[in-house]
Amino acid sequence: AQSVTQLGSHVSVSEGALVLLRCNYSSSVPPYLFWYVQYPNQGLQLLLKYTSAATLVKGINGFEAEFKKSETSFHLTKPSAHMSDAAEYFCAVSGDTGNQFYFGTGTSLTVIP
Amino acid sequence: NAGVTQTPKFQVLKTGQSMTLQCAQDMNHEYMSWYRQDPGMGLRLIHYSVGAGITDQGEVPNGYNVSRSTTEDFPLRLLSAAPSQTSVYFCAIRPRGAYNEQFFGPGTRLTVL
Repeated sequence: AQSVTQLGSHVSVSEGALVLLRCNYSSSVPPYLFWYVQYPNQGLQLLLKYTSAATLVKGINGFEAEFKKSETSFHLTKPSAHMSDAAEYFCAVSGDTGNQFYFGTGTSLTVIP
Repeated sequence: NAGVTQTPKFQVLKTGQSMTLQCAQDMNHEYMSWYRQDPGMGLRLIHYSVGAGITDQGEVPNGYNVSRSTTEDFPLRLLSAAPSQTSVYFCAIRPRGAYNEQFFGPGTRLTVL
């Protein structure tokens, strides 16, 4: 069985500051891990994915995430927040078949000018 | 939206009414799925299909029916709507050869009074 936990339902950062959104996973098989972003009244957009090829994964819009097996974590970071990063972010995990996705409860990111 | 269309965009139902949410894709993807999104709960998988004629249950299948008679369409049916089914519904596809990532449609916002 797979699951993810996102720590912090709301995160606020100043424009230009580091963004850190936390995700811990639980999986009985080697996981596939994903981060999605959702802007208001829109669908979900894939930011990045971990597929075991590399532990540091770079995504779109300057985001990256590091897979740490020892910590069962897949935290999302961005060195410098931009106003346009304000959105809801979801971490997700799937097993090897990919037929079932499990999402975290989401983290709402606010960027303060 | 990865070629995924959902109709309608908005719908209001009365308790006990039935309706079908439509999801269509024109890129011959075998895998399609339905999620519901509720505040503070992230996205939860309702049903999924790995090809025409094949469907399976996700986390929260109760109250929903699906069928997959063609590759292109994956409708979600509510036979007797309840207020607890007020939610935003997303259809998703998984392209062939993808590392399990899913791509989401624009969503249908359903309110059951």
